Amino acid sequence: DAKTTQPPSMDCAEGRAANLPCNHSTISGNEYVYWYRQIHSQGPQYIIHGLKNNETNEMASLIITEDRKSSTLILPHATLRDTAVYYCIVSVTGTASKLTFGTGTRLQVTL
Amino acid sequence: EAGVVQSPRYKIIEKKQPVAFWCNPISGHNTLYWYRQNLGQGPELLIRYENEEAVDDSQLPKDRFSAERLKGVDSTLKIQPAELGDSAVYLCASSLGRGSTEQFFGPGTRLTVL
Repeated sequence: DAKTTQPPSMDCAEGRAANLPCNHSTISGNEYVYWYRQIHSQGPQYIIHGLKNNETNEMASLIITEDRKSSTLILPHATLRDTAVYYCIVSVTGTASKLTFGTGTRLQVTL
Repeated sequence: EAGVVQSPRYKIIEKKQPVAFWCNPISGHNTLYWYRQNLGQGPELLIRYENEEAVDDSQLPKDRFSAERLKGVDSTLKIQPAELGDSAVYLCASSLGRGSTEQFFGPGTRLTVL
């Protein structure tokens, strides 16, 4: 599976959009991009995934560049409850069966 | 709908002692995963079950770790004997099965080995 690179930490003011970048320059054509987050003392939680088209759900939007070498997770109106570690994962199977977590980005949402 | 249940939530043991963790996945989920998460790191997969069959146990340290999922529902992960380096959070996750796009995680068991 392709490796991902994420900034170790980011800050965001409550109510503003949080844009979390991920670099996956060695991604293959059949690899999907997954995002999970982990709130303190909880297990990871699925957010969204995509192959090449932009995706949106009730939690977030996923923007994948045309060359698929990077993506951005967007939380449109961050709240204090969005403070967590966000993991960008590239999965060769396109299913949940093989997820390799890195160290993620620690997002701190502040008042 | 109940989520993934794990017990205990916390465990403190002396080194060389045995320890066991239990996981009950979401009802109807055929795939079950055990992960280990060291402090400041992301979770690492230890073993994956499809029903009763362990289909990926390549990262499980088989000299001291064992796991079972006898009836294809709940599962137990055991360490015997525990070492200081085994201190970590042990996470269980489940998914519907092949083709499923989401894993559902439990809260984890925090193990401290003294």
